[in-house]
Amino acid sequence: EIVMTQSPATLSVSPGERATLSCRASQSVRSNLAWYQQKRGQAPRLLIYGASTRATGIPARFSGSGSGTEFTLTISSLQSEDFAVYYCQQYNNWPPLYTFGQGTKLEIK
Amino acid sequence: EVQLVESGGGLVQPGGSLRLSCAASGFTFSSYWMSWVRQAPGKGLEWLASIKQDGSEKYYVDSVKGRFTISKDNAKNSLYLQMNSLRAEDTAVYYCAREDHSTYHHWGQGTLVTVSS
Repeated sequence: EIVMTQSPATLSVSPGERATLSCRASQSVRSNLAWYQQKRGQAPRLLIYGASTRATGIPARFSGSGSGTEFTLTISSLQSEDFAVYYCQQYNNWPPLYTFGQGTKLEIK
Repeated sequence: EVQLVESGGGLVQPGGSLRLSCAASGFTFSSYWMSWVRQAPGKGLEWLASIKQDGSEKYYVDSVKGRFTISKDNAKNSLYLQMNSLRAEDTAVYYCAREDHSTYHHWGQGTLVTVSS
């Protein structure tokens, strides 16, 4: 099983500032990495897939980078609606054995 | 508009069974892989199972193999999760999700399963 490790567990950032979230895979997942945002009481929402492709309707302030084992989600200028929990997911296995990171909580500083 | 609506959650005793359903609309259900993903209270996301478009292939995480069964009825545009031998650690919100190249662009709102005596 590929273990996904996100850091930090909690990130405190002021509105308007940049946020950088990290995700590390225990072995290479190539570019088969997605990022999700989840707000309290809601289902997750896909932000990024293929490590760097924004999903439909996702604002340009969200960007993803990385490949192999190291990945980054950057939010360039935080808006109030961006404070949430963020998860990475790898989907490199076949047969499927998809795994998620434990999440990073992005909170208002 | 893609819609996924789960139902069937509730309170069940340890060792009991429950069947979750997910009604799909707004897309050609028979053309997509579908999945179940769960989230224990205050915890992260866990992929549970995926099923191929025609139901001919099914895959599970080890923790539910032999206890949970994923199925789909393309005529009814519905996805199911039969859960047997339930344990306290199965307590979670269960989401159905549509797979698009192994990622989840569309999710249901979730249904809560509580396993407790």
